[in-house]
Amino acid sequence: DGGITQSPKYLFRKEGQNVTLSCEQNLNHDAMYWYRQDPGQGLRLIYYSQIVNDFQKGDIAEGYSVSREKKESFPLTVTSAQKNPTAFYLCASRDRLLTEAFFGQGTRLTVV
Amino acid sequence: GQQLNQSPQSMFIQEGEDVSMNCTSSSIFNTWLWYKQDPGEGPVLLIALYKAGELTSNGRLTAQFGITRKDSFLNISASIPSDVGIYFCAGRAPGNTPLVFGKGTRLSVIA
Repeated sequence: DGGITQSPKYLFRKEGQNVTLSCEQNLNHDAMYWYRQDPGQGLRLIYYSQIVNDFQKGDIAEGYSVSREKKESFPLTVTSAQKNPTAFYLCASRDRLLTEAFFGQGTRLTVV
Repeated sequence: GQQLNQSPQSMFIQEGEDVSMNCTSSSIFNTWLWYKQDPGEGPVLLIALYKAGELTSNGRLTAQFGITRKDSFLNISASIPSDVGIYFCAGRAPGNTPLVFGKGTRLSVIA
């Protein structure tokens, strides 16, 4: 089945630890995106990548890092510098010739 | 970053009623998209609009791309319990820019 897979679905971490969220797609899409969702805030863009080995900061990049070594994969690391990391994280991808972005099922990160 | 003004924030309606929600922007968009998100899941694309004035339907859903290119609305006719969820509008400005999202409209349907 073609699609975007985020793992794990739920993640718990202790404060001060870095954590990496996985996002893999087999849609052959060039562009990939990470969004953060908080209640009542909508979707806020963290980082995006239009092509392998290149990525851009979004609106709330502080405390996060990404890599794009393969077309299929765009992992997001939530670092200890992120002041309020507990949130629902969504990954999306898009064909470069189209506008529509397609989302994974999300990862709920809880930092205790 | 830019955000869209989506309204209303939430709606409680009776099953069978029609629903209308809209999004406005201070700048022009080339594309408008409408997504639905079920609890704990990622958003799913409902309708995509590409031209000013375009009116597109998907079953009981109808969406329009405003003539000014700064707004869009979504209508749901004869609502049913499975319409419950959060509806997001999203727009893309000219150029190869990421989508901008509204804050969502939370829909509750009372049977």
